[in-house]
Amino acid sequence: DTGVSQNPRHKITKRGQNVTFRCDPISEHNRLYWYRQTLGQGPEFLTYFQNEAQLEKSRLLSDRFSAERPKGSFSTLEIQRTEQGDSAMYLCASSFISPEAFFGQGTRLTVV
Amino acid sequence: GNSVTQMEGPVTLSEEAFLTINCTYTATGYPSLFWYVQYPGEGLQLLLKATKADDKGSNKGFEATYRKETTSFHLEKGSVQVSDSAVYFCALSDQGAPMDSSYKLIFGSGTRLLVRP
Repeated sequence: DTGVSQNPRHKITKRGQNVTFRCDPISEHNRLYWYRQTLGQGPEFLTYFQNEAQLEKSRLLSDRFSAERPKGSFSTLEIQRTEQGDSAMYLCASSFISPEAFFGQGTRLTVV
Repeated sequence: GNSVTQMEGPVTLSEEAFLTINCTYTATGYPSLFWYVQYPGEGLQLLLKATKADDKGSNKGFEATYRKETTSFHLEKGSVQVSDSAVYFCALSDQGAPMDSSYKLIFGSGTRLLVRP
């Protein structure tokens, strides 16, 4: 399978715990995006990378969120001290510097 | 700022009925326009796209035409199937020079389609 891969698919965590998600983009794609989708809403942009450089971060990305893309390959999104409001689907997408992005299946986070 | 507005759902149709899901946008410049589909518990799949005015995107029987004069990109299908039941998202992306543009997507809130046998 050469599509965008996200792990884990589901994560349940207690409030206050840290969580980390991983995204493996399509191999030749140099751009990687993170979005957050809450129930009944469209995805909202969080941040994106071109190769290993993080070029833009949304105001939605609070100080508790951090994303990395070492070596310009896979990316991780970490949420520290999770809150119930962080419960959402976290989507990763990749592209080769074009508007056409390909999405992974997402990681659904539930904070209890 | 840029935004996308979709008709609220759910839209409930019988199999073989005609489908229209309305989408209008607000943007500076000339964005690219997209329709994505999301099946339950899954990520988003690109359904079709259009990059300039009067372009028609089409795929799997779905069509949408980029109308600059009405800032719209309505999704249509002549005969829906039960398997088309999903949530449909209209989205736009800025369209500038590749190295100057983020190409981040701005989505509408989605329209759920339910097709009954």
